[in-house]
Amino acid sequence: EPEVTQTPSHQVTQMGQEVILRCVPISNHLYFYWYRQILGQKVEFLVSFYNNEISEKSEIFDDQFSVERPDGSNFTLKIRSTKLEDSAMYFCASIYGTYEQYFGPGTRLTVT
Amino acid sequence: GIQVEQSPPDLILQEGANSTLRCNFSDSVNNLQWFHQNPWGQLINLFYIPSGTKQNGRLSATTVATERYSLLYISSSQTTDSGVYFCAVTQGAQKLVFGQGTRLTINP
Repeated sequence: EPEVTQTPSHQVTQMGQEVILRCVPISNHLYFYWYRQILGQKVEFLVSFYNNEISEKSEIFDDQFSVERPDGSNFTLKIRSTKLEDSAMYFCASIYGTYEQYFGPGTRLTVT
Repeated sequence: GIQVEQSPPDLILQEGANSTLRCNFSDSVNNLQWFHQNPWGQLINLFYIPSGTKQNGRLSATTVATERYSLLYISSSQTTDSGVYFCAVTQGAQKLVFGQGTRLTINP
């Protein structure tokens, strides 16, 4: 069964560094999403992406964040200058047809 | 925006017991999903159930869309069922809005 993949599974970075989280959505999916979950809290929406542009973003998704679909298969989330409070689990998701969202296994980002 | 409330926040049971988790939402939806978050933090998709009833082994779910709630049933609980269960809803191809989760602990 096709699945969403994410790399890396765990990333440790120093405050102020740039990180890129990568996702490969299911191949025929059209809508793509990033969510994050701070430890012990609920999952929060960051951004949705459709037809090569952002369709919606949350208040969390400020100028530090950007998304890209550089080659038709990968979907990336970039954080330009990481802060301690960016430490979280980041999930990528995608949909096609029905509204069921398929989630990747997540990337745990630790900012020190 | 749409609100999602899950109850109870915490549930502690003995192995073999049955449990019912509830999800209330504040507006009509066309997607409702139940997830289990495992100890590694992965979100395991249990059910896509905007309406009706589905069963998968010891787990089943019912969504009554007209009354804006969904129930997740776990029968004959096992220790591996422990973890956090999330309900999430959306309207259209939009963001999923998650509830706060129910933390289920199954003791041997």
